[in-house]
Parts: sequence; structure tokens; C-alpha cells
Amino acid sequence: AQSVSQHNHHVILSEAASLELGCNYSYGGTVNLFWYVQYPGQHLQLLLKYFSGDPLVKGIKGFEAEFIKSKFSFNLRKPSVQWSDTAEYFCAVIAGGSYIPTFGRGTSLIVHP
Amino acid sequence: GAVVSQHPSRVICKSGTSVKIECRSLDFQATTMFWYRQFPKQSLMLMATSNEGSKATYEQGVEKDKFLINHASLTLSTLTVTSAHPEDSSFYICSAGTDYTDTQYFGPGTRLTVL
Repeated sequence: AQSVSQHNHHVILSEAASLELGCNYSYGGTVNLFWYVQYPGQHLQLLLKYFSGDPLVKGIKGFEAEFIKSKFSFNLRKPSVQWSDTAEYFCAVIAGGSYIPTFGRGTSLIVHP
Repeated sequence: GAVVSQHPSRVICKSGTSVKIECRSLDFQATTMFWYRQFPKQSLMLMATSNEGSKATYEQGVEKDKFLINHASLTLSTLTVTSAHPEDSSFYICSAGTDYTDTQYFGPGTRLTVL
């Protein structure tokens, strides 16, 4: 069975700092990759996704993620975080041939103003 | 954009009673809906996959007789927690998509508290 690992469980940054959240998965075949965000008191929403093509994917609010197949990784990045980026971030993977998403355990990001 | 609603947003019930949670896709037809359970500061645990017009597929360890799922139409799936107990207290989230491999749109969740 596939698994998704998010190594950073809690991240605390100051505004304007750069962000990188790790996401690794275990499946060796074709994958669809997602990053979702859950702001305090709100429901999960899509940040960005990768299905194919350019491995560097740009999402909303200045976020981007890079798919590195050889490393089974899909790390999320933002060059300069804002206080409003405080949220839970979840990486998710759908393996080829499946339709069931597997979520990582999430990373809690706190940005101090 | 695609919107998924859940009702109720919060429910408090007595132990032994049953609670029904509705998940609706408001502006699109969802052939597949997923039901998750989220514990505090933890990831989403997939409970079951709900397919319109057929039986739900439950994940290992999820009691199908306790968590009844019905997907009667392309816009509505319901989760009924039967004979609820305090350990069933949790945050239940549904998601819906138009394609098996496409983006999932999440509902706002339902906070269930069983006394």
C-alpha cells in the first residue's frame, strides 16, 4: 500500500521567511499529486496539483511545488510567507490505477507577524 | 468553483442514538464521494468511498454496520453513525470529485460530539 510522509509536523516562521514543506510518497508508478491547505476554522481547499508535464507547479497565493520523480518527492515552497499563511498543509497522492487519495498527516505552519 | 456542503456543521447527541450527516455537491455531479474522519492535529483517515447507485467501499477497520453510507444521487451522499458512542466523537469530512483522478472538493466538515 502506498504511503505519504510529511516530515515536518510543526513549522514556525517569521513573516518574509522562505518556506519548504517536505512530502514523500512510496508508490513507484504514475501518480497524481496534490497539496491542500486548511486555514483555521475553514475546510480543506486545493493549493496546487500535478498530473503530468512541467514538474514545477505553481498554485494559488504564491505557492509552488516541484515533483522530483527520482526522489519520490513533491515539496511545497513559498519564497516569502505571510501571517495569513498560518494553516495546516496536507500532501495527497493518488496512485495510478487507483482513485483513492492517500493523505500525509499534515504540517502545521505558524507564521509570526 | 465546485462547492460541497455538509449538514449539519455541528451535532451533539446522546450515546446510543443515530446521527445522519449529509454531503451535497452544489454545482456539479459527483460520481464518487469520500468520507473521512479527522482527529485533532492529525491527518484525514479515509473511512469509505461512496459511489452513486452502488454500495460503498469501506476501508479496513471501519465498521460498515455502524457507519452507513448511502449515495442515492449524483449530488447527495449521507453518512449515518448508528448507535453512536463517545468514541465516535470526531470531525467528519466529505469530499467529492467529478473524476477519479481529479481534484477533490471538500465539505466544511461536521463536528460530532456524543455525550
